[in-house]
Amino acid sequence: AQSVTQLDSHVSVSEGTPVLLRCNYSSSYSPSLFWYVQHPNKGLQLLLKYTSAATLVKGINGFEAEFKKSETSFHLTKPSAHMSDAAEYFCVSAEYGNKLVFGAGTILRVKS
Amino acid sequence: DAGVIQSPRHEVTEMGQEVTLRCKPISGHNSLFWYRQTMMRGLELLIYFNNNVPIDDSGMPEDRFSAKMPNASFSTLKIQPSEPRDSAVYFCASSLVVGELFFGEGSRLTVL
Repeated sequence: AQSVTQLDSHVSVSEGTPVLLRCNYSSSYSPSLFWYVQHPNKGLQLLLKYTSAATLVKGINGFEAEFKKSETSFHLTKPSAHMSDAAEYFCVSAEYGNKLVFGAGTILRVKS
Repeated sequence: DAGVIQSPRHEVTEMGQEVTLRCKPISGHNSLFWYRQTMMRGLELLIYFNNNVPIDDSGMPEDRFSAKMPNASFSTLKIQPSEPRDSAVYFCASSLVVGELFFGEGSRLTVL
């Protein structure tokens, strides 16, 4: 069965410093992987997706993620954090059609 | 496009009352999802439809919950009778591409 593990429940960075949100996946097959962001009192929004084309995926708002099969990882990064990046981030796996598996989420705090 | 529209945004009701949550998906999307989000359990898939047909309702907690999609532009999630443990934020999402979900703003339900 597929699973997604987000290694940090909370991450705190200073504005202007790099962001790293870690995600490991477990899957019998090559999954499609996604990152979603949820701002307070809002629905989730798709940041980026990996579907077996390029291993480095660029998303919205300067975020990118790299698929590493050997490490079963799909970490989300951003070179320079902005205050507006403060939100909860979800790593998501899609192995069988529309049956998505969500990670537990990582809350990103950005300090001024 | 107006995005996924959910109503009501907030609902406060008393235990035993019937609750109906409504969702209008994005026009042209062929899949619709109902999720529930709580602090304790995170994001849970309740049910999803493909072309108005329920595909997977294994996440529906119990017989008190029911969902319908009478046409491509409308879906309801009903709880009858409601209980305090049903208090949560309920999200509707629609998609055309697997994994690329567009979420509504959510309906926050409080059952007293």
